[in-house]
Amino acid sequence: DADVTQTPRNRITKTGKRIMLECSQTKGHDRMYWYRQDPGLGLRLIYYSFDVKDINKGEISDGYSVSRQAQAKFSLSLESAIPNQTALYFCATSGGTLSGANVLTFGAGSRLTVL
Amino acid sequence: GQNIDQPTEMTATEGAIVQINCTYQTSGFNGLFWYQQHAGEAPTFLSYNVLDGLEEKGRFSSFLSRSKGYSYLLLKELQMKDSASYLCAVRDSNYQLIWGAGTKLIIKP
Repeated sequence: DADVTQTPRNRITKTGKRIMLECSQTKGHDRMYWYRQDPGLGLRLIYYSFDVKDINKGEISDGYSVSRQAQAKFSLSLESAIPNQTALYFCATSGGTLSGANVLTFGAGSRLTVL
Repeated sequence: GQNIDQPTEMTATEGAIVQINCTYQTSGFNGLFWYQQHAGEAPTFLSYNVLDGLEEKGRFSSFLSRSKGYSYLLLKELQMKDSASYLCAVRDSNYQLIWGAGTKLIIKP
């Protein structure tokens, strides 16, 4: 089984619909992240969480919300999807100290298309 | 603003050597990362540099010059499986990762 699992892997939806992307991990890491990737752009951070009671906005949090249900679970919601939220979404985890290498382990990605 | 620059695309021949450059302008510096991403897949960690100099790991090496805001990833003895995008990322003074758009490397036989 993958260390970081994302569901669904692919989703097509319509404008205005609510969408939830789920992420679970077996790494035992405290830190979890949601990124989006668009062609020609670098990965952009949406939200991150350093433990169950900690939620922080990233660079592009508008239009998104998250929930950290447990150490191992971090879900991303689009309350009312719009076409420019069409992208590849990655969940990632990291452990260790903040100043160490703190390498990210990514899930396989969730491709979302909003029509 | 913060910026990471790397070439959009590079082409190299199987068995050859290729160098992928990354220049950065960030608010502070707390390490530079290289990740590999095959098409449609997740990025995977390749290397981490926090001090100036060369870090070697098998066929891959990464170099850092903090005074120049510059890094490169060197891939030797290229194999077809090295065809992928290579992402450069810098951790800034707030320990946030700033990502480049990636360099797509095409390997030809």
